[in-house]
Amino acid sequence: EDKVVQSPLSLVVHEGDTVTLNCSYEVTNFRSLLWYKQEKKAPTFLFMLTSSGIEKKSGRLSSILDKKELFSILNITATQTGDSAVYLCAVEETNAGKSTFGDGTTLTVKP
Amino acid sequence: DSGVTQTPKHLITATGQRVTLRCSPRSGDLSVYWYQQSLDQGLQFLIQYYNGEERAKGNILERFSAQQFPDLHSELNLSSLELGDSALYFCASSVYGDYGYTFGSGTRLTVV
Repeated sequence: EDKVVQSPLSLVVHEGDTVTLNCSYEVTNFRSLLWYKQEKKAPTFLFMLTSSGIEKKSGRLSSILDKKELFSILNITATQTGDSAVYLCAVEETNAGKSTFGDGTTLTVKP
Repeated sequence: DSGVTQTPKHLITATGQRVTLRCSPRSGDLSVYWYQQSLDQGLQFLIQYYNGEERAKGNILERFSAQQFPDLHSELNLSSLELGDSALYFCASSVYGDYGYTFGSGTRLTVV
């Protein structure tokens, strides 16, 4: 059975801290790994990763994939209170569209 | 506004009933995906349609069905509803490439 495991489940930091969120996976036919940020309602897309070792960056957020060790990390530097959210990792299979989500990491950034 | 429109936003219905959730994808997106998010199960992929055809199926119950119409909007039909079907149902759409999926704001279904 396909599995995506995120750690930690929750994290509390102070503004300015740097955080690293982890996602490991076991999927039969890997196509891509996606990170999302979910605040009050719908998840919003952050990154799609398909190749190992290539870092994707967007402002203070960055992510990298290791297809050999089957994991990805999401880094957030100089955290702000607006970064408080649930961060979801999902793995998409080559059976395009079929995806498995992790349970998410709840990040709380205190002022 | 993400460009993906879901209606209704909230729905309260009784057990045993049938409901239809509607989704209009972003302009230009041919793929529509349905997800269920409940407190105990997290976000679960249900089904994908591409240009009117079913492309991928996840953990969708037999009581649930979906379709995508020629104008690309999609409907998710839930029948013989049970209390456990209470959840947030998301629709997402995508365009091919490194863009991920764009989610609608969801329909919160409460079965009483």
